[in-house]
Amino acid sequence: EVQLLESGGTLVQPGGSLRLSCAASGFVFSTYAMSWVRQAPGKGLEWVSVISGSGGSTYYADSVKGRFSISRDNSKNTLYLQMNSLRAEDSAIYYCAKDGGPDFGGNSGFDDWGQGTLVTVSS
Amino acid sequence: AIQVTQSPSSLSASVGDRVTITCRASQGIRNDLGWYQQKPGKAPKLLIYAASTLQSGVPSRFSGSGSGTDFTLTISSLQPEDFATYYCLQDYIYPWTFGQGTKVEVK
Repeated sequence: EVQLLESGGTLVQPGGSLRLSCAASGFVFSTYAMSWVRQAPGKGLEWVSVISGSGGSTYYADSVKGRFSISRDNSKNTLYLQMNSLRAEDSAIYYCAKDGGPDFGGNSGFDDWGQGTLVTVSS
Repeated sequence: AIQVTQSPSSLSASVGDRVTITCRASQGIRNDLGWYQQKPGKAPKLLIYAASTLQSGVPSRFSGSGSGTDFTLTISSLQPEDFATYYCLQDYIYPWTFGQGTKVEVK
């Protein structure tokens, strides 16, 4: 059974930094691209970033480019999101999500999601 | 970035109704679109990928169609557990983009 467990969400001041983690189990982690998706309170879903299975390719939403950095440690089956220069509009539940197929950039969707971790940016 | 316009933003329906939700992409995306269901306080759940392929375990009353710029999610006979918010996601090119969501409410 696939399990994705996010952690690291907390209250942080504007301009601060935070690192989220997503511990994965139940599948061959290094085979699959992984993404972060966020949802502000009462709002819709926003794709944030993706990293290929090897970690060699990454992409970001324009809203976080230059401030967020996605990475992974395949030896620890863990995905990360380093968030710098945080703004109030970054407040959201952050989900990690697994690609449904092994092809990076494929159209298999996100077949497994974590339960999310809440990030609140406020003074 | 590709814009995805989802409609309607909400709808009211009764158990047994046929429900249709649409997404329109700002440019052609082949069949690279998926549909997700989200219930309050829960993570989204994949229903359909590649526009029309039903995810394993998803009831057959859900179906998807379309290619290019126009896509449709259909629930053939709405069940009590289907009251939720639905999102489409274009996974044709990064940055991937979600539609704004459609809340399906009890009539």
